Amino acid sequence: DVKVTQSSRYLVKRTGEKVFLECVQDMDHENMFWYRQDPGLGLRLIYFSYDVKMKEKGDIPEGYSVSREKKERFSLILESASTNQTSMYLCASSLPGQGPNQPQHFGDGTRLSIL
Amino acid sequence: AQSVTQPDIHITVSEGASLELRCNYSYGATPYLFWYVQSPGQGLQLLLKYFSGDTLVQGIKGFEAEFKRSQSSFNLRKPSVHWSDAAEYFCALEGAGSYQLTFGKGTKLSVIP
Repeated sequence: DVKVTQSSRYLVKRTGEKVFLECVQDMDHENMFWYRQDPGLGLRLIYFSYDVKMKEKGDIPEGYSVSREKKERFSLILESASTNQTSMYLCASSLPGQGPNQPQHFGDGTRLSIL
Repeated sequence: AQSVTQPDIHITVSEGASLELRCNYSYGATPYLFWYVQSPGQGLQLLLKYFSGDTLVQGIKGFEAEFKRSQSSFNLRKPSVHWSDAAEYFCALEGAGSYQLTFGKGTKLSVIP
């Protein structure tokens, strides 16, 4: 089974801090994704990466950056955390290509609170 | 632009009753369609997927979904709900030429014993 591991289940940080959320997958997947999930808004894509050192903006990239130095690891960075970034963050990975044969597999999420 | 609508924010059913969760999509061609389930405090688990061919697809945990092109719908069904099915359900669409999933806002399912 695919395993997508997010380093923290719960995280509390202060406004203005630089925050790192880490995600590791063990299935040699090329594609990795970061979403945020908010009540009533569903999941929204922040960034995705289809290869090492490659990244693409999703729907809501503002205030975030990402890093992918190794194939198995995809980091989400909040450059200067703000209270409106309090949310649940979900990481996902998939094989290259599209469609149902390459579904996205999700981690358990990191619930981030910015005080 | 592509979009997914789940008209029901919250549904409550009795254990043993049948279930149908609605999903409507907007896309210019036949999309790839998915249903995911999220238990409290957990990530998303893939229930089933549709690409082409048979419009009735079977998934895990006894769920099925039917693709209806004329209605732009992909409704999820289960003939008899179990208490462990209480969770939030998300319908998602992937368009041709894109890696990006577009999610609906989710339907929360409560099950009465």
